[in-house]
Amino acid sequence: KQEVTQIPAALSVPEGENLVLNCSFTDSAIYNLQWFRQDPGKGLTSLLLIQSSQREQTSGRLNASLDKSSGRSTLYIAASQPGDSATYLCAVFPGNAGNMLTFGGGTRLMVKP
Amino acid sequence: NAGVTQTPKFRILKIGQSMTLQCAQDMNHNYMYWYRQDPGMGLKLIYYSVGAGITDKGEVPNGYNVSRSTTEDFPLRLELAAPSQTSVYFCASSYSTSGDTQYFGPGTRLTVL
Repeated sequence: KQEVTQIPAALSVPEGENLVLNCSFTDSAIYNLQWFRQDPGKGLTSLLLIQSSQREQTSGRLNASLDKSSGRSTLYIAASQPGDSATYLCAVFPGNAGNMLTFGGGTRLMVKP
Repeated sequence: NAGVTQTPKFRILKIGQSMTLQCAQDMNHNYMYWYRQDPGMGLKLIYYSVGAGITDKGEVPNGYNVSRSTTEDFPLRLELAAPSQTSVYFCASSYSTSGDTQYFGPGTRLTVL
């Protein structure tokens, strides 16, 4: 059974820092990996989707990388801003059997002014 | 487009009561999903639908029922509410497969006392 882990569970950084959020998964047979942002009391917003054949995806100050063989993905946020404060979740979609996303528990990020 | 909408936003139920959580999307998506999110945890899939008239169980379906009579609507029914069903419920949709980008509603916070 696929398990997705995100470390750390919470992170607090000063504004302007570059930071890395980690996601690991136990079964490397994935179709894609997705990063989401969740603001308090709100639903999830899709940030980046990386297909299994890709190594990375970029959107603005966000860069997500995927190393399928080692079961790892990182989300890099450049020049962090207070508006980046949110919970970030990663989720994997299976490449063989199954038809559902498996989510990690999320990393709660606080960027202090 | 309103995207994915959910009602109600909040609800308190007594043990044994029943209720229906409403979900609608106006993006003409074929796939729709119901998730629950417990504090500090990732999302777990309850049920999903690949089109009108077709539903299937997710990871945690016990205590819930769904129907999909139209492309737009995907209500979730709780029968005989239990304290273990206290959670935040999210509805989501995607155009084709579950591996596509999923669009989430704002959530319904349910408390069972």
